[in-house]
Amino acid sequence: GAGVSQSPRYKVAKRGQDVALRCDPISGHVSLFWYQQALGQGPEFLTYFQNEAQLDKSGLPSDRFFAERPEGSVSTLKIQRTQQEDSAVYLCASSLVGREKSGNTIYFGEGSWLTVV
Amino acid sequence: KQEVTQIPAALSVPEGENLVLNCSFTDSAIYNLQWFRQDPGKGLTSLLLIQSSQREQTSGRLNASLDKSSGRSTLYIAASQPGDSATYLCAVRVSGANNLFFGTGTRLTVIP
Repeated sequence: GAGVSQSPRYKVAKRGQDVALRCDPISGHVSLFWYQQALGQGPEFLTYFQNEAQLDKSGLPSDRFFAERPEGSVSTLKIQRTQQEDSAVYLCASSLVGREKSGNTIYFGEGSWLTVV
Repeated sequence: KQEVTQIPAALSVPEGENLVLNCSFTDSAIYNLQWFRQDPGKGLTSLLLIQSSQREQTSGRLNASLDKSSGRSTLYIAASQPGDSATYLCAVRVSGANNLFFGTGTRLTVIP
């Protein structure tokens, strides 16, 4: 497709279960971001990839969160031993050029809605 | 850490009215500022991007201004329409950083 695609769109996980969220960025986009958006809040940064390199993971809330982009295209965000506070929308975004370039448009996916019960 | 605040949190206006949404940020060393729109259950759509060296950007009925020194931006929507109903998010990119810092948004309802 033409946009950023995320799957699953909705996920209900039991507390303690592991989940994996997938992001297909726009073809050819170098930069890929993951954000977490709690209900009624703005998105908060989790991690950033430039091609396959994870250049910034400062926003990951704990070591239960892990992200990868092994071939520089599709990315997976994995959450181990999910807890109720992990319930949120996880947004993936991509842009064409790397961080050195200002002004390039960032495109967001529709998000993966995670509910931990 | 950059803090972004948006006022008001919610706004309801009759169709046809002009309106202003406000955004303030604490660290003026920004790379750029963007305004996004988010519809319920959807991702974010970029509306306008203002570089740190610019004062304003316009797209159709939308006009965004930036006063970097005072840490403020406004989004002006002219002749509002029911289709403008959505949450509007302001986000800044700090110089040297990869990510965007978002405000909590303004939920706009335009009443027909």
